[in-house]
Amino acid sequence: QVQLQESGPGLVKPSGTLSLTCVVSGGSISSSNWWSWVRQPPGKGLEWIGEIYHSGSTNYNPSLKSRVTISVDKSKNQFSLKLSSVTAADTAVYYCAKNGGYSPFDFWGQGTLVTVSS
Amino acid sequence: DIQLTQSPSFLSASVGDRVTITCRASQGISSYLAWYQQKPGKAPKLLIYAASTLQSGVPSRFSGSGSGTEFTLTISSLQPEDFATYYCQQLNSYPFTFGPGTKVDIK
Repeated sequence: QVQLQESGPGLVKPSGTLSLTCVVSGGSISSSNWWSWVRQPPGKGLEWIGEIYHSGSTNYNPSLKSRVTISVDKSKNQFSLKLSSVTAADTAVYYCAKNGGYSPFDFWGQGTLVTVSS
Repeated sequence: DIQLTQSPSFLSASVGDRVTITCRASQGISSYLAWYQQKPGKAPKLLIYAASTLQSGVPSRFSGSGSGTEFTLTISSLQPEDFATYYCQQLNSYPFTFGPGTKVDIK
């Protein structure tokens, strides 16, 4: 059973960079899966941020593409999210999830709240 | 981007009721549609994928149907643990998008 766990600062200053890591356990990040980030502002819906394959190939949501970098560290079985130039609109619960390219998101982390505030 | 709309946005129902939620896509997505259930403070849980395939471990009272642009999620007999928000998601093309959600509340 794959498990995912997000970690990172819960508070980021405006114009700063949000950095989160998702550790994968119970399975290899080098398996034939894609690994995604999804966010949910308080009281609102879900937004897909982007995904990465263990080779380093990525797909990003065009609405965030200019500010997003997703990377993978196979030696640590984890992947990471960086979102630059954050504003209050980036305040959200950030989830990492396992998917299979055009396949659904079958395993999710518990989510981590990131607040953008000075 | 493919836009998804859900109806209704809010639904009040009783235990034992049959509940149907509709998801419409702004363009055809074949059967690349998934349904998720989310409870407060929890991550979404996959219920249905490929429009009608029940995820392992999900009760059989949940079912999905549709293809192209119109899809439905049906709960045949609502149980107390089913009160939650339900989201559809299209995986036909990038960027993957979610519907706005349908909150199912207790009548």
